[in-house]
Amino acid sequence: GQQLNQSPQSMFIQEGEDVSMNCTSSSIFNTWLWYKQDPGEGPVLLIALYKAGELTSNGRLTAQFGITRKDSFLNISASIPSDVGIYFCAGFSGAGSYQLTFGKGTKLSVIP
Amino acid sequence: EAGVTQFPSHSVIEKGQTVTLRCDPISGHDNLYWYRRVMGKEIKFLLHFVKESKQDESGMPNNRFLAERTGGTYSTLKVQPAELEDSGVYFCASSHITSDQTQYFGPGTRLLVL
Repeated sequence: GQQLNQSPQSMFIQEGEDVSMNCTSSSIFNTWLWYKQDPGEGPVLLIALYKAGELTSNGRLTAQFGITRKDSFLNISASIPSDVGIYFCAGFSGAGSYQLTFGKGTKLSVIP
Repeated sequence: EAGVTQFPSHSVIEKGQTVTLRCDPISGHDNLYWYRRVMGKEIKFLLHFVKESKQDESGMPNNRFLAERTGGTYSTLKVQPAELEDSGVYFCASSHITSDQTQYFGPGTRLLVL
């Protein structure tokens, strides 16, 4: 089945630093999504990408849909303590597909 | 607008018992999905309802899992009999029938089978 390889698995950073995480796949995805999960909660959508090459920002977050449609990255600038959580990449692979494929997640810890 | 709600938030049962999880989607959302995250693994798709009909149940692990959505509103996911490997977090999500596919997730039910 479809697989998304997400890295890094975990990160410890100082408050104020920038963060970068990425996802790659051996197959093409036509939509890339980035979610964040806080403890005890479900994943919350941060950014959605629909076109190859698309670069989208949401506040301090920036994400890009790779040209090959097989990868995506998420950057967080000037991290703050509330950025702590697990970040998941996810995607839809087929046209008309409603089945989300998820990466294993990147656990982010921010040291004040 | 209320989000997706799930009940219970936690469940601890013994192997062989039955557990039923409930999901209430966002009002007006015809699409309802079940996902599961087993410890250390990625979140995986289980199935997709459109209203009361099962659109895609390709992710259901085996016939010990039964999902229903009578009336096209809330959904239940029953595990009978539960096995140790069924432990994990079960997420429900919903989306509008004509939306941009954005799926809104509930907080999940944490299931532990002993």
